[in-house]
Amino acid sequence: EAGVAQSPRYKIIEKRQSVAFWCNPISGHATLYWYQQILGQGPKLLIQFQNNGVVDDSQLPKDRFSAERLKGVDSTLKIQPAKLEDSAVYLCASSPRQGTAARTDTQYFGPGTRLTVL
Amino acid sequence: GQQVMQIPQYQHVQEGEDFTTYCNSSTTLSNIQWYKQRPGGHPVFLIQLVKSGEVKKQKRLTFQFGEAKKNSSLHITATQTTDVGTYFCAGGRNTGGFKTIFGAGTRLFVKA
Repeated sequence: EAGVAQSPRYKIIEKRQSVAFWCNPISGHATLYWYQQILGQGPKLLIQFQNNGVVDDSQLPKDRFSAERLKGVDSTLKIQPAKLEDSAVYLCASSPRQGTAARTDTQYFGPGTRLTVL
Repeated sequence: GQQVMQIPQYQHVQEGEDFTTYCNSSTTLSNIQWYKQRPGGHPVFLIQLVKSGEVKKQKRLTFQFGEAKKNSSLHITATQTTDVGTYFCAGGRNTGGFKTIFGAGTRLFVKA
């Protein structure tokens, strides 16, 4: 079974520039997550999709970040314009379901995109 | 909002020593997951605990979920250099939507 694919793996941009990340989840997985992981910290959820609908985007800085999941499969995350503090690894994860009444679902992470904003 | 705290932040051990990381939530959880992230890698799922007081073992790793479902621990017996990495707990909660909140992680260093 192929894992979660992300591209690019690395990106260096200058502040105020725009950048986009792409994620292809595991085939058949209904839920897709985008996380921001700053060095030395745990992953912070930016947005969660269930199929092509948004379940949680409460921590997404909507003035500069946007994400979409067209057709409920691939997803893109965009930052426009980037700030220095956006330097981080952006992780995409997917899970088969959103969860059940008893528990949240196991998440499978992609390799991440390391963004450096100069 | 819901917080998931993890201690210690770092732990240095000699190979063969034991290691424990603790996870505490400010609210009752529906489940707790543990992930391992190797240096330069991405988080990889280890295990999930759902029941109050649950204990699960994976070889040298022992996972516990507290009776109140607010805390959890991961214990590694006789660490090896392959155990190096950051261990994250992730608390799950269903409050009008399924949310998983990651702790900050405990980074384990093992000296041969």
